[in-house]
Amino acid sequence: QKEVEQNSGPLSVPEGAIASLNCTYSDRGSQSFFWYRQYSGKSPELIMFIYSNGDKEDGRFTAQLNKASQYVSLLIRDSQPSDSATYLCAVRDDYKLSFGAGTTVTVRA
Amino acid sequence: DGGITQSPKYLFRKEGQNVTLSCEQNLNHDAMYWYRQDPGQGLRLIYYSQIVNDFQKGDIAEGYSVSREKKESFPLTVTSAQKNPTAFYLCASSIRGGQGTDTQYFGPGTRLTVL
Repeated sequence: QKEVEQNSGPLSVPEGAIASLNCTYSDRGSQSFFWYRQYSGKSPELIMFIYSNGDKEDGRFTAQLNKASQYVSLLIRDSQPSDSATYLCAVRDDYKLSFGAGTTVTVRA
Repeated sequence: DGGITQSPKYLFRKEGQNVTLSCEQNLNHDAMYWYRQDPGQGLRLIYYSQIVNDFQKGDIAEGYSVSREKKESFPLTVTSAQKNPTAFYLCASSIRGGQGTDTQYFGPGTRLTVL
């Protein structure tokens, strides 16, 4: 199984700050990458996906992909208390997604 | 409303019992998936199906069985052979399955506890 590594956290950031989450993956041939947000006790919900090197922005979220270094990151700008959750990185492996264990983010007011 | 439904939300199983978890979607998606999540861990794939009447084992299929008789339904049976079934079970679906940025969407989950 392909490996996907994330810092487990918790990552604590003040409200209004930028939260930076990192994810590394083992398969150099991976092409598609996904970020999901999971609130405690709930199911994951998609934030965004990225498949080209560089940045992709969606509202307060920016995904960054560097295939040469095999990492993908997620930036959350102007962090809000509602952003407190676990963020899962997923890498496509043909038919399935391989998930990291997630990074827990806490936004303190 | 379009979406994925899972039932029940909570399920308690006695040792030696088989239990079936329901997953239904009305998104007209071809592919469906079952994942298991344990505390502090990522999701692990149990089974997946890309088309009706066909399914494949994922990474942790032992002790589980599935069927795909209808496009919208993909039930998961947790058998007594599954040694440690207590976990959060998540069903997902996607339009095509395995294609580029084809995105998986998740149901609300079933939390199974073995008594």
